[in-house]
Amino acid sequence: GEDVEQSLFLSVREGDSSVINCTYTDSSSTYLYWYKQEPGAGLQLLTYIFSNMDMKQDQRLTVLLNKKDKHLSLRIADTQTGDSAIYFCAFPSGGYNKLIFGAGTRLAVHP
Amino acid sequence: KAGVTQTPRYLIKTRGQQVTLSCSPISGHRSVSWYQQTPGQGLQFLFEYFSETQRNKGNFPGRFSGRQFSNSRSEMNVSTLELGDSALYLCASSFTLQETQYFGPGTRLLVL
Repeated sequence: GEDVEQSLFLSVREGDSSVINCTYTDSSSTYLYWYKQEPGAGLQLLTYIFSNMDMKQDQRLTVLLNKKDKHLSLRIADTQTGDSAIYFCAFPSGGYNKLIFGAGTRLAVHP
Repeated sequence: KAGVTQTPRYLIKTRGQQVTLSCSPISGHRSVSWYQQTPGQGLQFLFEYFSETQRNKGNFPGRFSGRQFSNSRSEMNVSTLELGDSALYLCASSFTLQETQYFGPGTRLLVL
């Protein structure tokens, strides 16, 4: 069945770049998503990439997609303390709106 | 444009009771999906509604049900609550099927 894997924890120094990785099994998705969850909050859509793209840049965010290896990454440049949160990669499954989520990567930013 | 709203934000119930959660999608969005988030299982899809019809259902028992109204607002109901139903319940809306989903703040349910 479909599966999404993420590393669970990442710690970076403020001002450095963060790279969050995700691998998936289903290759038929049209879009792949990154969501952010701050403590006690819902999910905030960060960015998404079409499956026919290799890279998408959106201000401090860069998404890379390697379809051959089924690997998705999110790079956050100049990471700030406000970026501390849990980051989820997700893709739709079954042709509808059902999203399959990874376990989430907890990003901790320290001074 | 206002985002997805969910009510109530917090709820405490006891085992055996039932609960109804409400979700109002972004104006113009016609698809509403529900997810359960727990520390152990992560984010799991419950069901999805479009034009008042359930289009897709996750692997949850029949105690979990939902509906969508003509104005696209949706409710989910959990009957005969169990301790394991304690979770954050998230609602997401999209303009139509296979579109980007936007999430609400969630309803945190605690079952005692």
